[in-house]
Amino acid sequence: DSGVTQTPKHLITATGQRVTLRCSPRSGDLSVYWYQQSLDQGLQFLIQYYNGEERAKGNILERFSAQQFPDLHSELNLSSLELGDSALYFCASSVGGQGALTINEQFFGPGTRLTVL
Amino acid sequence: AQSVTQPDIHITVSEGASLELRCNYSYGATPYLFWYVQSPGQGLQLLLKYFSGDTLVQGIKGFEAEFKRSQSSFNLRKPSVHWSDAAEYFCAAAGDYKLSFGAGTTVTVRA
Repeated sequence: DSGVTQTPKHLITATGQRVTLRCSPRSGDLSVYWYQQSLDQGLQFLIQYYNGEERAKGNILERFSAQQFPDLHSELNLSSLELGDSALYFCASSVGGQGALTINEQFFGPGTRLTVL
Repeated sequence: AQSVTQPDIHITVSEGASLELRCNYSYGATPYLFWYVQSPGQGLQLLLKYFSGDTLVQGIKGFEAEFKRSQSSFNLRKPSVHWSDAAEYFCAAAGDYKLSFGAGTTVTVRA
């Protein structure tokens, strides 16, 4: 158990809908990272928050957004869902992460499996 | 562009045999390098990491990796594989605020 929790574990929805994925980092970790894992794209970094502020952006679509709240939990919002958004979405956390080099060990949650029908 | 390549998509190894997973990186400077393992239905777990210093790095579960600058490689090894090592393994490199992952290598262990 990494200490990172993600809810829900599974999510099934229809195209065009909007969903919210939730992540609670390990106690004491200030950074939260979101990743998407799909068969065709592999594991891709989406976005990072550090202590409530967006720190880095990866291959995140404009239909997707995220935020980190004062209690450090994070939510990833996916809207206007398409079939291709079906994937496993991971959240990870680390103690630091405010610098340019992500040298801090990232602890991964179990993921949320999103199925868009 | 920065990238991480894992040339082997799938490897099958007998229990008790040795295992080597290949990883090559393409970065402007030596990046920070990691190996993660993902068991079915689980998140990723860090096996080991290389930042600097000794090029042979020891990790958890009996794994080790060797950094070779001349070959831009960071290969993962285990002398004797156990059935519980069946999983997907990801090599990753850190830089520019993010981790870039290779495509992964799936390891199957046969009895």
